[in-house]
Amino acid sequence: GAVVSQHPSWVICKSGTSVKIECRSLDFQATTMFWYRQFPKQSLMLMATSNEGSKATYEQGVEKDKFLINHASLTLSTLTVTSAHPEDSSFYICSARGPGLQYFGPGTRLTVL
Amino acid sequence: EDKVVQSPLSLVVHEGDTVTLNCSYEVTNFRSLLWYKQEKKAPTFLFMLTSSGIEKKSGRLSSILDKKELFSILNITATQTGDSAIYLCAVEAGGSGTYKYIFGTGTRLKVLA
Repeated sequence: GAVVSQHPSWVICKSGTSVKIECRSLDFQATTMFWYRQFPKQSLMLMATSNEGSKATYEQGVEKDKFLINHASLTLSTLTVTSAHPEDSSFYICSARGPGLQYFGPGTRLTVL
Repeated sequence: EDKVVQSPLSLVVHEGDTVTLNCSYEVTNFRSLLWYKQEKKAPTFLFMLTSSGIEKKSGRLSSILDKKELFSILNITATQTGDSAIYLCAVEAGGSGTYKYIFGTGTRLKVLA
């Protein structure tokens, strides 16, 4: 089946630094990938839609300069959290549009100290 | 504004009980409704529903969609402790080429031994 990987699975960083999270579709090409954020005991909130070769589409209220998305190839999208702060600590999940469905990555837990 | 609402928010049952989880939606350009199970990491796919009145079944889990009344239910019979998880309902909606998933709040199910 379609597999999506994320790296890293968890990361701890200091406030003010930037963190890059990678999302890869391993056995299929994905022209569209999605980035979600999930707070404890809450549902998934769509942050942005990433399209290969074009600019990402951000949901209302998501700062595009803070959450930089690059979808440089048909199998890789990256999310960079710039100048991270403790309130950015969360679980970030990507998905890739594959055959018939979105396929989810295993998620990245970000902790900002 | 598109929205997906799940009920109940949480549920505690004993092994062997049957549970029914609800998902109602109001979206533009409905395409499909999906159910996911989330334990500690990313959601795992359960069902995709596109047509009204056709039950989908997998073991002890089943689901059905009512496109007239705009809701779906997920049934779990003979519950086991391994069914404890958050169950997420998502609706795929939007315009041509811009479909995205809108997630509900989730139902947190705990099955006691």
